[in-house]
Amino acid sequence: SQKIEQNSEALNIQEGKTATLTCNYTNYSPAYLQWYRQDPGRGPVFLLLIRENEKEKRKERLKVTFDTTLKQSLFHITASQPADSATYLCALPSDPSNTGKLIFGQGTTLQVKP
Amino acid sequence: DTGVSQNPRHKITKRGQNVTFRCDPISEHNRLYWYRQTLGQGPEFLTYFQNEAQLEKSRLLSDRFSAERPKGSFSTLEIQRTEQGDSAMYLCASSSGTGVYEQYFGPGTRLTVT
Repeated sequence: SQKIEQNSEALNIQEGKTATLTCNYTNYSPAYLQWYRQDPGRGPVFLLLIRENEKEKRKERLKVTFDTTLKQSLFHITASQPADSATYLCALPSDPSNTGKLIFGQGTTLQVKP
Repeated sequence: DTGVSQNPRHKITKRGQNVTFRCDPISEHNRLYWYRQTLGQGPEFLTYFQNEAQLEKSRLLSDRFSAERPKGSFSTLEIQRTEQGDSAMYLCASSSGTGVYEQYFGPGTRLTVT
């Protein structure tokens, strides 16, 4: 079955720097990959979706890359701000048939210091 | 569009009691998902619906858990004979399609079993 690995250790960076979070998967290459943001005590909020035929996707200060050879996605936040502090979750389809069901990584907590 | 809502937001119950949670998805969304999340982990899939049909239930889910979506609108998740291990955040999400669509999450119901 598909497994996702995200850095379990928190990432601490200074305001204005670029944060880079990693998502690795272990099994089949998914047709797409999603990133979500979760604040404490709240449900996840969708940020970006990237498909297997896309190398890179951008939205404002966010950038996601998808390398099917490395079985890895990188999530970048440029010019980071304290308001970006949250847990970021990577999610993939749970099976190759793309039923819409997702599995999530454990998330990486980002702390941006002013 | 008021987003996905869940009630109650918090529930404290004694071991052995039954509890029921409600989820109201975004009105035009035909897919509805239930997840469970414990501290430091990502959401774990429990079950999902396409309209009123329950398409899949996680093999990890015991028979004490049941979910319904009677008219393809709101959904309920019931846990019978609660155990301390059931303490978690229960998240509901909805999406507008059956393939590659992002999921919109509610705020969750925090269950504490004493």
